Amino acid sequence: TQLLEQSPQFLSIQEGENLTVYCNSSSVFSSLQWYRQEPGEGPVLLVTVVTGGEVKKLKRLTFQFGDARKDSSLHITAAQPGDTGLYLCAGVPLNDYKLSFGAGTTVTVRA
Amino acid sequence: DVKVTQSSRYLVKRTGEKVFLECVQDMDHENMFWYRQDPGLGLRLIYFSYDVKMKEKGDIPEGYSVSREKKERFSLILESASTNQTSMYLCASSLGSDQPQHFGDGTRLSIL
Repeated sequence: TQLLEQSPQFLSIQEGENLTVYCNSSSVFSSLQWYRQEPGEGPVLLVTVVTGGEVKKLKRLTFQFGDARKDSSLHITAAQPGDTGLYLCAGVPLNDYKLSFGAGTTVTVRA
Repeated sequence: DVKVTQSSRYLVKRTGEKVFLECVQDMDHENMFWYRQDPGLGLRLIYFSYDVKMKEKGDIPEGYSVSREKKERFSLILESASTNQTSMYLCASSLGSDQPQHFGDGTRLSIL
């Protein structure tokens, strides 16, 4: 079983719609990272959230870290085809030192 | 910008062959990692290294070994390739083990 559970696994939406991707765990994390991976490339870091309840914005992307630091969400407003990709969350649990990745959410934005 | 370079984008090998995957980073990072990525399973850590000649097993080390003779280079070795090792292999580096990782573009390895 994955330490970090991402949902949904797949998401296909029309350009202009909004979407939310979830990353959940029963473990507490010191921080969580979000990456985007485009076809044929490696994952690229989007953001790191560190404080419980923290909200970070990156243009049309909004990232939130849960108050208990066990979960996070990524919300995309007015999605564009360029947002298509695999979104991965990752974090280091408090009792560990290695980064663990979720299985990812594949987002497809249709023009 | 951090650059992590993997030696091959695509590789086709035969069962039983010894396979070497090479990775080089140019940012003087202490930590380097090898993952395999399979649909629905996400990234699974094979091995990582936190210093030259130092290595630690990840979650799925069986059938693999690694070498880190120089700080910038981390090699993954498949001692005797098997078909279940067909996968996408990703190399990454980071400043600290809990810090954001910088990835190469991956090597898609097929074992026939």
